Amino acid sequence: KAGVTQTPRYLIKTRGQQVTLSCSPISGHRSVSWYQQTPGQGLQFLFEYFSETQRNKGNFPGRFSGRQFSNSRSEMNVSTLELGDSALYLCASSLDRNNEQFFGPGTRLTVL
Amino acid sequence: GIQVEQSPPDLILQEGANSTLRCNFSDSVNNLQWFHQNPWGQLINLFYIPSGTKQNGRLSATTVATERYSLLYISSSQTTDSGVYFCAVGGGQTGANNLFFGTGTRLTVIP
Repeated sequence: KAGVTQTPRYLIKTRGQQVTLSCSPISGHRSVSWYQQTPGQGLQFLFEYFSETQRNKGNFPGRFSGRQFSNSRSEMNVSTLELGDSALYLCASSLDRNNEQFFGPGTRLTVL
Repeated sequence: GIQVEQSPPDLILQEGANSTLRCNFSDSVNNLQWFHQNPWGQLINLFYIPSGTKQNGRLSATTVATERYSLLYISSSQTTDSGVYFCAVGGGQTGANNLFFGTGTRLTVIP
């Protein structure tokens, strides 16, 4: 079974731009979660989607948004990029709540 | 959210030595996972262990849910074991699916 895939793997953007990241979960998994990893804040939860609905949201500003499609693929969008948005963005998939989560390789975003 | 504390923050070992990494958490959990983050940033699943004991080769893990801690044992360490180990928990009072991560243990294995 193929693992979780994320595209693109690397991105360089400038302040004020917006960016869209994509995540394809493991086949059959309906839950997709997004996490941000920075040296200062560590790994933090952004949001979770299940069956095309946002089920849970972390403590991030409204500039961070996401969606999930009927095939469970998910995208996250960050608008009006700030320098502090530079981070590794990780996507995880699982069957449902309280199941093992599997992570993709991440997208490394650099904001200049 | 659930507080997760990992210790020690840094660990330097000679190849062949054994080690124990600890994870304390502040609430009841329905999910506990151990990960190894590779140099490219990907989180590699080691164990899904909300309770009990599991073993996989030179690695084993134990979670005592009633006392809110988990231990990861690495025996006969190898240089390829180097990296950052994360403990992550989920569930708690809300039962939500998001994971709360500790700050990690950075392991360096010296030849």
